[in-house]
Amino acid sequence: NAGVTQTPKFQVLKTGQSMTLQCAQDMNHNSMYWYRQDPGMGLRLIYYSASEGTTDKGEVPDGYNVSRLKKQNFLLGLESAAPSQTSVYFCASARGESGNEQFFGPGTRLTVL
Amino acid sequence: AQSVTQPDIHITVSEGASLELRCNYSYGATPYLFWYVQSPGQGLQLLLKYFSGDTLVQGIKGFEAEFKRSQSSFNLRKPSVHWSDAAEYFCAVAPFSGGYNKLIFGAGTRLAVHP
Repeated sequence: NAGVTQTPKFQVLKTGQSMTLQCAQDMNHNSMYWYRQDPGMGLRLIYYSASEGTTDKGEVPDGYNVSRLKKQNFLLGLESAAPSQTSVYFCASARGESGNEQFFGPGTRLTVL
Repeated sequence: AQSVTQPDIHITVSEGASLELRCNYSYGATPYLFWYVQSPGQGLQLLLKYFSGDTLVQGIKGFEAEFKRSQSSFNLRKPSVHWSDAAEYFCAVAPFSGGYNKLIFGAGTRLAVHP
C-alpha cells in the first residue's frame, strides 16, 4: 500500500515553461486535493476534487489547472510557469465524507527560474 | 475575516519538558479542528482531530489537544517532549462553509528540542 505518491520529487523550470505534477492514491478515496506550501504561510488549497470528473477552485487557483479523469489520479498543470509558483506542492486524498482525515503525499519541490 | 492563527513561529524546549502549541481560529460556526505534524522533507501526518463531544482529545505520539469554545482555541499539548518530536506543527480547520471537507491551515509552529 503506497498511499499517496507524487511525481516528480524535484523540478526546475524556466519562466514560461509548462509542466504537469502527478498524484496517485491507492486507497480508493473519493476526494483529492492540491496544496502549495510557502514559508510562513502554511499550506494553501489550490484545487479540490470531490469525485472523479469534478474539480473545484481553492484559495489560490490562478495560474493552475487540474484534471481528475480517473479516481486514483489528480493532475496539477502549470501552463506558463512564473517565479511566484516556486513552492512545495502537496497532494492529499480523503474518503470524502465530512471531516475525513486527509492523507498527504511526500511533496514536489518546484523551482521556477 | 476567517482565519487560523498560530502565534508562535518557533518554539524551543528541552527534552523531557512539557509543550503547548497555541492555535486560535476565527469562524462563525465551530469548524472541525485538526493538528498535523510535518517532519523535515516529509508530508503531513494527522496527530488528532476534534469534531464534537469531549473537549480534550487524545492523539498519536502522546499528544493531546483541548478545544475551548469561549476562546476559539485548540491548543496542542504534550507532557514530556522527546527529541524525535522536533518538527513543524500545523493547526487546521475544516469550516462548515466548505462542507467540513476543505482544510484551512495555520502558518505553522516549528519545534526544536534541546537534548
